[in-house]
Amino acid sequence: EPEVTQTPSHQVTQMGQEVILRCVPISNHLYFYWYRQILGQKVEFLVSFYNNEISEKSEIFDDQFSVERPDGSNFTLKIRSTKLEDSAMYFCASSEFGNQPQHFGDGTRLSIL
Amino acid sequence: SQQGEEDPQALSIQEGENATMNCSYKTSINNLQWYRQNSGRGLVHLILIRSNEREKHSGRLRVTLDTSKKSSSLLITASRAADTASYFCATGDTGGFKTIFGAGTRLFVKA
Repeated sequence: EPEVTQTPSHQVTQMGQEVILRCVPISNHLYFYWYRQILGQKVEFLVSFYNNEISEKSEIFDDQFSVERPDGSNFTLKIRSTKLEDSAMYFCASSEFGNQPQHFGDGTRLSIL
Repeated sequence: SQQGEEDPQALSIQEGENATMNCSYKTSINNLQWYRQNSGRGLVHLILIRSNEREKHSGRLRVTLDTSKKSSSLLITASRAADTASYFCATGDTGGFKTIFGAGTRLFVKA
């Protein structure tokens, strides 16, 4: 069964540094999402992406965040200047259409020192 | 505003028993979904129920949706130790671009 893959599985970065989290969604899916989950807390919506543009974003997704689909397969989340509070698990998900089941990757654990 | 809040926060049962988890939400929705998360892993989609549906089954899972009360329940029948996980409800808005997750119920099934 096709799956969403995320790399790296664990990223350790110094505060203030830029970080790029990478995702390869399922190939025939058209909708892409990023979520984050701070340890022990709920999964928080960050952004959705469709037709090469952001469709919806949350209050968390401020100017420090950006997403890109640089080619036909990758979907990236960039945090420009990381803060301690950015430490979390970041999940990528994709779905064939909107309001359909989303398929999640296993996440990237981001640790900011 | 909060959306998709589950209760109980944690549930511990014996293998073979049924587990019921509830979810409440506040805004209009297109659909409500239930996901499962094993520790340290991504979420796995279990079942989606649309706003015009009242009940849905999938194997040992039964989901109900009451849009007048803005609530849903997930029933897992004949639970197994392998069902131990966190369960989240998530609501999809009418636009289809935003999914909001609740805080989840941590289910522990004792063998």
